[in-house]
Amino acid sequence: DTGVSQNPRHKITKRGQNVTFRCDPISEHNRLYWYRQTLGQGPEFLTYFQNEAQLEKSRLLSDRFSAERPKGSFSTLEIQRTEQGDSAMYLCASSLDIGVQPQHFGDGTRLSIL
Amino acid sequence: QKEVEQDPGPLSVPEGAIVSLNCTYSNSAFQYFMWYRQYSRKGPELLMYTYSSGNKEDGRFTAQVDKSSKYISLFIRDSQPSDSATYLCAMSFNAGKSTFGDGTTLTVKP
Repeated sequence: DTGVSQNPRHKITKRGQNVTFRCDPISEHNRLYWYRQTLGQGPEFLTYFQNEAQLEKSRLLSDRFSAERPKGSFSTLEIQRTEQGDSAMYLCASSLDIGVQPQHFGDGTRLSIL
Repeated sequence: QKEVEQDPGPLSVPEGAIVSLNCTYSNSAFQYFMWYRQYSRKGPELLMYTYSSGNKEDGRFTAQVDKSSKYISLFIRDSQPSDSATYLCAMSFNAGKSTFGDGTTLTVKP
């Protein structure tokens, strides 16, 4: 499978715990994006990388959220001190870095906060 | 007011019908327009990608963009039960974020 891969698919944790998600983009894609989607809503942009550089961050990305892409390949999204409102689907997408290219999504990590 | 507004639905049609899905937007800087299909518990799947105004056709799907009216549409001809899903419009003006509508849930009844 050469699509965007996200792990884990589902994460259940208690409020206050830290969680980390991983995204492996399509291999030739240098751009990587993180979105959050809640039930009945469209995906909301969180952050974007060009290779290892984090180029844009949404105001939605509070200081409890941190994303990295250390070698310009896979990326991790960490949420510290999780809150009930963090329950959502966290989606990763990737695209080529030629002009503006459409983003291809993984199947997401569903986070449930108990 | 959201930058991208999408007809909320839900929409239910008989098999074989022509389906029209629509979005309006407020930011005239948007240049790139996408339609995604999302099945339950799956990520969005890219269906159509267009630049600026005009029509684009791909099999049973036709995407229309009218920048003067800030209005985009997706038409599905000869709809099939397998087309039952949530359809998301999205748009962008640079290589960064895409801005999405909240989706229209379509059910095609056999």
